[in-house]
Amino acid sequence: DTGVSQDPRHKITKRGQNVTFRCDPISEHNRLYWYRQTLGQGPEFLTYFQNEAQLEKSRLLSDRFSAERPKGSFSTLEIQRTEQGDSAMYLCASSLGSQGSYEQYFGPGTRLTVT
Amino acid sequence: AQTVTQSQPEMSVQEAETVTLSCTYDTSENNYYLFWYKQPPSRQMILVIRQEAYKQQNATENRFSVNFQKAAKSFSLKISDSQLGDTAMYFCAFMKHENTGGFKTIFGAGTRLFVKA
Repeated sequence: DTGVSQDPRHKITKRGQNVTFRCDPISEHNRLYWYRQTLGQGPEFLTYFQNEAQLEKSRLLSDRFSAERPKGSFSTLEIQRTEQGDSAMYLCASSLGSQGSYEQYFGPGTRLTVT
Repeated sequence: AQTVTQSQPEMSVQEAETVTLSCTYDTSENNYYLFWYKQPPSRQMILVIRQEAYKQQNATENRFSVNFQKAAKSFSLKISDSQLGDTAMYFCAFMKHENTGGFKTIFGAGTRLFVKA
C-alpha cells in the first residue's frame, strides 16, 4: 500500500494556460474525490467518482474544470484557461467501496500557482 | 444545502491537558456521516475519528472522543492527554449519500490547534 499519490506536487503556470493534474488512488479503492483548498480554509468538494463514473460534481465548479477517471484507476483534473483565482492546493482522496468504509485517504496535493 | 461550522479558528492547550474542538452542522437529512480530520503542518490529511449518524453511542479512538448531539446538530472532538504531535489543523466534515449514488463531503473551515510544552 503506497498511499494516494499526486503529480505534480507543484505547478506554476501563466494565466490563460491549461493545466492537468494526476491522482493515483490506493489500488483497491473504487471511490475517488477531488477537492480544492485555499490557505486557511477547509477543502472544498469538486467532484466524486465511483469506479469510472463521475457521480457528483460541485455546482460551483466552472466549465473550465473537467475530470476523468478512465478504467476506474487513476484520475486527471484539467483546468482550462487558468485564472489567478484558481491558485490553490488541489487534493485527491480515495476510499474503499465496501459498506461502512467511508474513511478518505488523502494525497499530498498539487499546489497550483497562476501568475 | 449542508453547512459545517467550526467557530474556533485557533486554540491552544498545554501538553497533557484536555481540549475540546467545536463543530456544528446544518442538514435536513437523517442518515449521514461525520468525521474529524487532522492536517499537520505541510503533511497529508488523515482521519482522526468518524461517527455514523444512526449510532447513538459516541465514537472513541484512544485519546480522541466525540460528543455527538444529533438533535442539536453538534459534533465536538475531545482530545485527552494532549501531545505535541497533536499540533495541527483539525477539520470537521459531513458526508451523505446523494441521490445520484455518489457521495459529497462538506468540510468546515478548520481549527488550528497548538499544543504547548
